[in-house]
Amino acid sequence: QSVLTQPPSMSGAPGQRATISCTGGTSNIGAGYDVQWYQQVPGKAPRLLIYSYKNRPSGVPDRFSGSRSATSASLTITNLQAEDEADYYCQSHDRSLSGAVFGGGTRLTVL
Amino acid sequence: EVHLVESGGGLVRPGGSLRLSCVASGFSFSNYGMNWVRQAPGKGLEWVSSIDRDSVFPFYGESVKGRFTISRDNANDSLFLHMTNLRPEDTGFYFCARADWREPWGQGTLVTVSS
Repeated sequence: QSVLTQPPSMSGAPGQRATISCTGGTSNIGAGYDVQWYQQVPGKAPRLLIYSYKNRPSGVPDRFSGSRSATSASLTITNLQAEDEADYYCQSHDRSLSGAVFGGGTRLTVL
Repeated sequence: EVHLVESGGGLVRPGGSLRLSCVASGFSFSNYGMNWVRQAPGKGLEWVSSIDRDSVFPFYGESVKGRFTISRDNANDSLFLHMTNLRPEDTGFYFCARADWREPWGQGTLVTVSS
C-alpha cells in the first residue's frame, strides 16, 4: 500500500484532457513538502515532468501542468497524444518516514 | 547538464552482497543530498535511501534497514549503495537521484537476486 494514492488506470481520447490525482496526508503533501511527477514508458527510466508542484524542466511540453490543494496534488495533461501513453508517478517527502514516498502509479491509455 | 550514471548491478545469489555506484556530473555534487530509488520488475517506484551532503544523516526505507548502507565520496562526485544479505525481493532497477528531485535521474542499474 503506497503512502500516496493514485488511481491505478485512466484513459482518454486524443485531444482530450486527463487529470491524475495524488492523495496524501498531513505528514507529506499536507505538510507542505514538494510534489514531483514522473512519466515512465515501459523499459525506460522515469522522466521528470513536474517538480515543486507546478514547475516543468526544460523540454517538457506545456501540455503538462501540476497543481496542489491541501493534502493532494494533480497532474493535468491537455490535448492528449498517443505518445502520452505511459505510467505516471507522484512523489513527495514524508516527515514521519524521514524519506521520499511515491504513489503507486497510474497507467494512462490513449484510446 | 546534470548527468547521473549508475553501475555495479548484476546477478547475485540470495544472501550475497553488491555495491552500486553513481557518478554525478553537471552540478556541484558536494552541495546536494542524494537518494537511491528502486523499481522491481513490473512494479512501482520505491525510495531506498538518502544521504545529506556531508554524510551525517543517512536514512533508509524499512525494507532495507540494517542490510543496506549508503555512502558518498564528494572528492570523486560519487554515491554508493552497499547492499548485503540480499533477498529475491531486492531484484530490480536501482536509480540515483538528487535530493531536491529537480533534475533527471540516471538510467539505472539492474540487480538480480536469484539462485
